[in-house]
Amino acid sequence: KNEVEQSPQNLTAQEGEFITINCSYSVGISALHWLQQHPGGGIVSLFMLSSGKKKHGRLIATINIQEKHSSLHITASHPRDSAVYICAVQSGNTPLVFGKGTRLSVIA
Amino acid sequence: KAGVTQTPRYLIKTRGQQVTLSCSPISGHRSVSWYQQTPGQGLQFLFEYFSETQRNKGNFPGRFSGRQFSNSRSEMNVSTLELGDSALYLCASSFRGAEETQYFGPGTRLLVL
Repeated sequence: KNEVEQSPQNLTAQEGEFITINCSYSVGISALHWLQQHPGGGIVSLFMLSSGKKKHGRLIATINIQEKHSSLHITASHPRDSAVYICAVQSGNTPLVFGKGTRLSVIA
Repeated sequence: KAGVTQTPRYLIKTRGQQVTLSCSPISGHRSVSWYQQTPGQGLQFLFEYFSETQRNKGNFPGRFSGRQFSNSRSEMNVSTLELGDSALYLCASSFRGAEETQYFGPGTRLLVL
């Protein structure tokens, strides 16, 4: 079974800072998902990637398949980015395996 | 297009009771997955249904069951509730399954007393 580790567990940043959240996994995968969960519980899928890099607005996700590692970057962070960010991996037809999440607080 | 809906949003039950939760996927989506989220264990996969067939099942006891109807709506049932079943239950839908973007519902928050 894939083990998914995220770091850091908690992160506090000042508005405007560049933020990096890391995710590593133990077994080869076919796809990696980055999810965002706001207080109240709703989850939004930010990215799904299997190689390289994807960008959406101020968010950038990268993955290194050889090193079994992915990063989520937030540029020019804003208080509305405060949320829990969750990494999840998927192999073939198997269900998603989740990391424990990174709790981000961005202070104005 | 309407998003994934879950009912009820909040539920309080007592130990030993049973509960049924409902999930309506995005129109056209045939895959529905269910997840349990607790502070201690995080998000864990319960089961996935695709075209009315259970395609994958997580490591949960037999008290947890589910089904999917011909219109892709899905229900999950938990019998003989235990205190540890208190959690946020989320469903997610997609066209084909976990190998593509998942669209999550708002969740049902279950409290077992």
